[in-house]
Amino acid sequence: DQQVKQNSPSLSVQEGRISILNCDYTNSMFDYFLWYKKYPAEGPTFLISISSIKDKNEDGRFTVFLNKSAKHLSLHIVPSQPGDSAVYFCAASYSGGGNKLTFGTGTQLKVEL
Amino acid sequence: DVKVTQSSRYLVKRTGEKVFLECVQDMDHENMFWYRQDPGLGLRLIYFSYDVKMKEKGDIPEGYSVSREKKERFSLILESASTNQTSMYLCASSPGSLTWEQFFGPGTRLTVL
Repeated sequence: DQQVKQNSPSLSVQEGRISILNCDYTNSMFDYFLWYKKYPAEGPTFLISISSIKDKNEDGRFTVFLNKSAKHLSLHIVPSQPGDSAVYFCAASYSGGGNKLTFGTGTQLKVEL
Repeated sequence: DVKVTQSSRYLVKRTGEKVFLECVQDMDHENMFWYRQDPGLGLRLIYFSYDVKMKEKGDIPEGYSVSREKKERFSLILESASTNQTSMYLCASSPGSLTWEQFFGPGTRLTVL
């Protein structure tokens, strides 16, 4: 039972354009969402997060949007750079969930020159 | 900077062997986690611990056990390794109640022959 889904296993974008990575969830108890980035042979690193009381959070080139009614979040990267090429995981948690994160299956982003 | 280290980057073991994966964090974090990452499945939680000598099962605990004798160290044990336990194993820690962010180690690529 995959509670957090990333339906696009891969995405290819040209340098300088916008990358949009999508994530859907099914558990309505989730109230905190995170995005992680992972390079090969390295552990995931935290990128950006959003609480369910917000619908948008921005940090530099990265913006996360949350649509609670649709149980959908997205990560926008503008402008995309070759160094952004990595696997991106969305993750979700809920208050009282004991700091556990439920991860999606990941999206491989490739930013081409 | 938070540092999470894992004892081995690559490990090759034979079916039936007992395998120990060690994880150490240097930031006095309360929580520690073990995940495995497999293509198309994302990160799946095996076990986690909120405190010394405490452990809780994650989503896929079968075939694994854990030990947390000291706050900074969390060990994952494969009692009798099997080929379906070939995977990337990732350890993470988090400070506790103030944040959901988890900090990951570099991972151990385990191959069971």
